[in-house]
Amino acid sequence: EVQLVESGGDLVKPGGSLRLSCAASGFTFNNAWMSWVRQAPGKGLEWIGRIKSKSDAGTTDYAAPVKGRFTISRDDSKNTLYLQMNSLKTEDTAVYYCTTDRKWLIPTLDYWGQGTLVTVSS
Amino acid sequence: DIQMTQSPSSLSASVGDRVTITCRASQTISGYLNWYQQKPGKAPKLLIYAASSLQSGVPSRFSGSGSGTNFTLTITSLQPEDFATYYCQEKVFGQGTKVEMK
Repeated sequence: EVQLVESGGDLVKPGGSLRLSCAASGFTFNNAWMSWVRQAPGKGLEWIGRIKSKSDAGTTDYAAPVKGRFTISRDDSKNTLYLQMNSLKTEDTAVYYCTTDRKWLIPTLDYWGQGTLVTVSS
Repeated sequence: DIQMTQSPSSLSASVGDRVTITCRASQTISGYLNWYQQKPGKAPKLLIYAASSLQSGVPSRFSGSGSGTNFTLTITSLQPEDFATYYCQEKVFGQGTKVEMK
């Protein structure tokens, strides 16, 4: 059974940094593409970015609102995905989901974690 | 970036109704479109990928169609468990359509 468990969500001040983790199990993580998606309270879904498998060059792609501030990485030895968030803004407040991502032209998100809440506030 | 616009933003329907949700892309995206269902307090669930392919385990009352810039999600006979919010997605998500009980 595929399991994705996010952690690291917290209250952080504007301008601060935070790193989220996603522990994966039940599938071959090192061969998987992975994405992060967020959802602000009471709002819709927003795709943040994806990372390909190392066998597919491990390249990353980001949405415009987070490009240059957020970095997605992976540790295949730990079956763990990361989201490093810097220069946080109040509008980054959201539940952050880790997802598996099919190897396709567009993010196709078939398994989701339960999410972790990030609150950016002074 | 390509923008995705869903209509309607919300709708009221009864069990057994046929429901149609439309998604329009700001430029042609061929068949690169997915649909998701989200229930309150839960993570979204992939329903349809590549515009018309049913994800494994999803009931056959759900179907998707379209290409280019115009896409449709249809629920042929709405069931109680289908009251939820639905999102289309290319890379960017649409704003969502909330299906509520009439």
